[in-house]
Amino acid sequence: EPEVTQTPSHQVTQMGQEVILRCVPISNHLYFYWYRQILGQKVEFLVSFYNNEISEKSEIFDDQFSVERPDGSNFTLKIRSTKLEDSAMYFCASSVTGGGFTEAFFGQGTRLTVV
Amino acid sequence: QKEVEQNSGPLSVPEGAIASLNCTYSDRGSQSFFWYRQYSGKSPELIMFIYSNGDKEDGRFTAQLNKASQYVSLLIRDSQPSDSATYLCAVPRSGAGSYQLTFGKGTKLSVIP
Repeated sequence: EPEVTQTPSHQVTQMGQEVILRCVPISNHLYFYWYRQILGQKVEFLVSFYNNEISEKSEIFDDQFSVERPDGSNFTLKIRSTKLEDSAMYFCASSVTGGGFTEAFFGQGTRLTVV
Repeated sequence: QKEVEQNSGPLSVPEGAIASLNCTYSDRGSQSFFWYRQYSGKSPELIMFIYSNGDKEDGRFTAQLNKASQYVSLLIRDSQPSDSATYLCAVPRSGAGSYQLTFGKGTKLSVIP
């Protein structure tokens, strides 16, 4: 069964360093997303991406964050200068279509720990 | 601020019983509703979605939607210990071209053998 894959599964980084989280969405999906979940809290939307541009972003997704689809398969989330509060599970998701009737499928997540 | 509210639990049910999980949402314009299951330390896994008022059944799972009351629920029949997880209600934000899901905090279900 097709699935969204994310690498690495766990990333430890020092505060102020840049990190890149990688995702390979399901191959026929056109819409891509990043969500995060701080330990013990809700899953929160960060950004959606379609047709090589950001469709929507939340207040969390500030200038420290960026997304890119560098080739036909990968979708990346970059955090330019990590802060302690960026420590969370980051989930990539993808869907065939967008909008309110979207079924989004999630990757297994990358646990980011900022020390 | 569009909100999705769930009782955090834990909800404990004996094996074989029916587990009932509830979710309320504030956005009257919401048209679709998703239930995800999340095992501890794992990613959300889509188990059901519902668009229309009434019931939708899929195996041991039944989703129920009442748009007038802004209420959606998930029933799990014949609960198994493997159903022990946190169940997340998710609602897409209404509005043209909106792709973001708003999640509730989840209800932790524990099925006791």
